[in-house]
Amino acid sequence: QVQMVQSGAELKKPGASVKVSCKGSGYTFTGYYIHWVRQAPGQRLEWMGRMNPNTGGPNHAQKFQGRVTMTRDTSIATAYMELNSLTSDDTAVYYCAREGMLRNFDYWGQGTLVTVSS
Amino acid sequence: DTQMTQSPSSLSASVGDRVTITCRASQGITTFLNWYQLKPGQAPKLLIYDASSVHSGVPSRFSGSGSGTAFTLTISNLQAEDFATYSCQQSYTTPWTFGQGTKVEIK
Repeated sequence: QVQMVQSGAELKKPGASVKVSCKGSGYTFTGYYIHWVRQAPGQRLEWMGRMNPNTGGPNHAQKFQGRVTMTRDTSIATAYMELNSLTSDDTAVYYCAREGMLRNFDYWGQGTLVTVSS
Repeated sequence: DTQMTQSPSSLSASVGDRVTITCRASQGITTFLNWYQLKPGQAPKLLIYDASSVHSGVPSRFSGSGSGTAFTLTISNLQAEDFATYSCQQSYTTPWTFGQGTKVEIK
């Protein structure tokens, strides 16, 4: 069965960077886009961008341009999302999600809590 | 950006009830509308895609309808495991955007 397994919770100081991993299994990793979505406390889900695991080509939301990097290692079927220059506003649960056949998120990771605090 | 607005923001219902949640888009999105179920500490689950198609493994009591700017999610015969938050999401144009969520609580 399809599974997306993310790395564990992180505590970071303002100005630092965080890198979250997402390992896909149960399907052909290079055949489906990987998206990153976050949810801050009390806020709606927010799309950050997506990456083509086959080519590595990203497509970021304008809000995160210049601050987010999406990469992958196809040899271990793992995608990464790195966010720089963290502030308290970046405190959120970060999810990876696989893009299904009709532009939906058909499978999600369990979420990674990133807390930014001095 | 395409703004997604859900109503109501929360509702109280009983097991066996029929529940309807509305989602409106700020511009036409054809049928690129998906619905998700969110529970604390769990991965979100896809329920409905392409406005009205039920995702594999989702019970038939979940249904969706609509096109353009107005959409609905209906849960018929509400079950205990359905008490959760539901969120719509458009994938017609980037940035893909979500509604604010509708929390379904036990009456």
